[in-house]
Amino acid sequence: DTEVTQTPKHLVMGMTNKKSLKCEQHMGHRAMYWYKQKAKKPPELMFVYSYEKLSINESVPSRFSPECPNSSLLNLHLHALQPEDSALYLCASGNLGTDSSYEQYFGPGTRLTVT
Amino acid sequence: AQSVTQLGSHVSVSEGALVLLRCNYSSSVPPYLFWYVQYPNQGLQLLLKYTSAATLVKGINGFEAEFKKSETSFHLTKPSAHMSDAAEYFCALEYGNKLVFGAGTILRVKS
Repeated sequence: DTEVTQTPKHLVMGMTNKKSLKCEQHMGHRAMYWYKQKAKKPPELMFVYSYEKLSINESVPSRFSPECPNSSLLNLHLHALQPEDSALYLCASGNLGTDSSYEQYFGPGTRLTVT
Repeated sequence: AQSVTQLGSHVSVSEGALVLLRCNYSSSVPPYLFWYVQYPNQGLQLLLKYTSAATLVKGINGFEAEFKKSETSFHLTKPSAHMSDAAEYFCALEYGNKLVFGAGTILRVKS
């Protein structure tokens, strides 16, 4: 199983709402990632969890709050977002390979619209 | 600093023609390089990766890429384009468990 799943596929939320994005993988990977992708742009790394601990935060605003409840699940909690936060949010998982590189597998994404 | 440059934001080829998507990198250490494909409104799919084992890397869907250190390039090729290859392609460099992406190249395949 090389699949990363994300729910929901689409989300519309107001600026005062609280919502969460969910990501799941069953490949036994020990690293999980959140990316943000604006239209016509490449993905931008937001957070990296390694062995369920936050290892990288790319200076993301606190209105985005990641959580890794266990090695298979990754959440992104959203609160008081701005319209400019509307984007495709991609989750990925990966492992350190014998060649010392991380090979990342991406989910289909959640299309977020902030109104 | 680590960076990736993809030459050509749009490439158009005829069905059956050679596909060549260009990628140049800058890295202070031996790089790990990847090509990903993204279809509209979908996530990214790994096509292939280079990790120093071989300079010519074969991937899925008939794609391959050649690592040239002297040219700091990792261009993606496919001998014969198919309509289903129309998508956006990203070259990426990995360091410290981070992926640095190029700006992407949209491939259009004409019938």
